[in-house]
Amino acid sequence: DAGVIQSPRHEVTEMGQEVTLRCKPISGHNSLFWYRQTMMRGLELLIYFNNNVPIDDSGMPEDRFSAKMPNASFSTLKIQPSEPRDSAVYFCASRTGGPLAFFGQGTRLTVV
Amino acid sequence: AQSVTQLDSQVPVFEEAPVELRCNYSSSVSVYLFWYVQYPNQGLQLLLKYLSGSTLVKGINGFEAEFNKSQTSFHLRKPSVHISDTAEYFCAVSDPGGSYIPTFGRGTSLIVHP
Repeated sequence: DAGVIQSPRHEVTEMGQEVTLRCKPISGHNSLFWYRQTMMRGLELLIYFNNNVPIDDSGMPEDRFSAKMPNASFSTLKIQPSEPRDSAVYFCASRTGGPLAFFGQGTRLTVV
Repeated sequence: AQSVTQLDSQVPVFEEAPVELRCNYSSSVSVYLFWYVQYPNQGLQLLLKYLSGSTLVKGINGFEAEFNKSQTSFHLRKPSVHISDTAEYFCAVSDPGGSYIPTFGRGTSLIVHP
């Protein structure tokens, strides 16, 4: 299995632009997570999907952030409009029914 | 909500020396515990996990961790480190009450000097 696949690996954008991060979970996994990693706050859970349904989005910072999972093999995290403070590494992770999550390589977002 | 405390933000050590990275978690209920490693510009890779059974858990690359329920700790150890072990190490906990969603510590940067 190729593991969790995220794209792009790096994204540089200007403040105010829309950014879309993409994630393909491991085939057969039914839960998906988006995490954000910053120096100040470490790894924070943004949103959690189970069977394509958002279960907990309490970690989404504000309305500028939105996430979708239209099917079991694809999820997006969108930031519109982006701000410099959104600069971070964004990780996607997936799992089956058990507690063990597998992580993608991450997307390093820089907003200038 | 669960919380995880990694007591050391940075641990410098010389090559071939032993190392211990400390992790404490908040809950007294049954939990699952994990250590992940993140090499520079890479994702998180699972080092080892405790789900049940023996409290001494062996992982990849010669690492092991011991679950101590009374101390609510899950410290990571390696008897002899290598330069290639230089990385960021994250302790994580998940529990049934939290839908098994992993909660992470702030991470410990292990720096191995020659």
